[in-house]
Amino acid sequence: QLQLQESGPGLVKPSETLSLTCTVSGDSISNSNFYWGWIRQPPGKGLEWIGSGYYSGSAYYNSSLKTRVTISVDTSKNQVSLRLSSVTAADTAVYYCATIISNPKTGRPQYFQHWGQGTLVTVSS
Amino acid sequence: EIVMTQSPATLSVSPGESATLSCRASQSVSSNLAWYQQKPGQAPRLLIYGASTRATGFPARFSGSGSGTEFTLTISSLQSEDFAVYYCQQYNDWWTFGQGTKVEIK
Repeated sequence: QLQLQESGPGLVKPSETLSLTCTVSGDSISNSNFYWGWIRQPPGKGLEWIGSGYYSGSAYYNSSLKTRVTISVDTSKNQVSLRLSSVTAADTAVYYCATIISNPKTGRPQYFQHWGQGTLVTVSS
Repeated sequence: EIVMTQSPATLSVSPGESATLSCRASQSVSSNLAWYQQKPGQAPRLLIYGASTRATGFPARFSGSGSGTEFTLTISSLQSEDFAVYYCQQYNDWWTFGQGTKVEIK
């Protein structure tokens, strides 16, 4: 069964870069049926899509974050990573990675099928 | 950006009763609409996709309907394990979530 596990520092200083890794087990990250997404949830608030990547190297970002976000897929390690630069307290959140199932006819990414358990990142000095 | 608006923000329901949650899109998303269930301290879990298809593991008391801009999630005969926050999400144009509806015990 496909499983996702986020990892990375739980505390990041303001103005620094947040770096997280999502390790995929139970399937290949090169599976063409999946895209890989990052979503975050500030404490007590709702969900925000950050960006998505594909094994080919394509990446798509939320327009509100695109100047600060980089998502990359490492097929050799079966991992997808997230980097968010110049963080502030507003970036404090639980960060989730998720699989995005693609439409079998069109190849377009669709809904978030599997989710990792999430990791809390706090931005504070 | 497509804005998703959910109502109500909180729904108080007695066990055994039904609950109707609404989700409205600022422009048509066709049937590219998903619902997620989130319990405290847990990741969201896919509940409905394609506006009306139940995901694996969810019973038939959960049903989704709608297309275009208006969508509904109905939970009939609420069980204790159904009290949670429910989010709608469009995936027609990138991805955006509604702000969530909390279904609480009355």
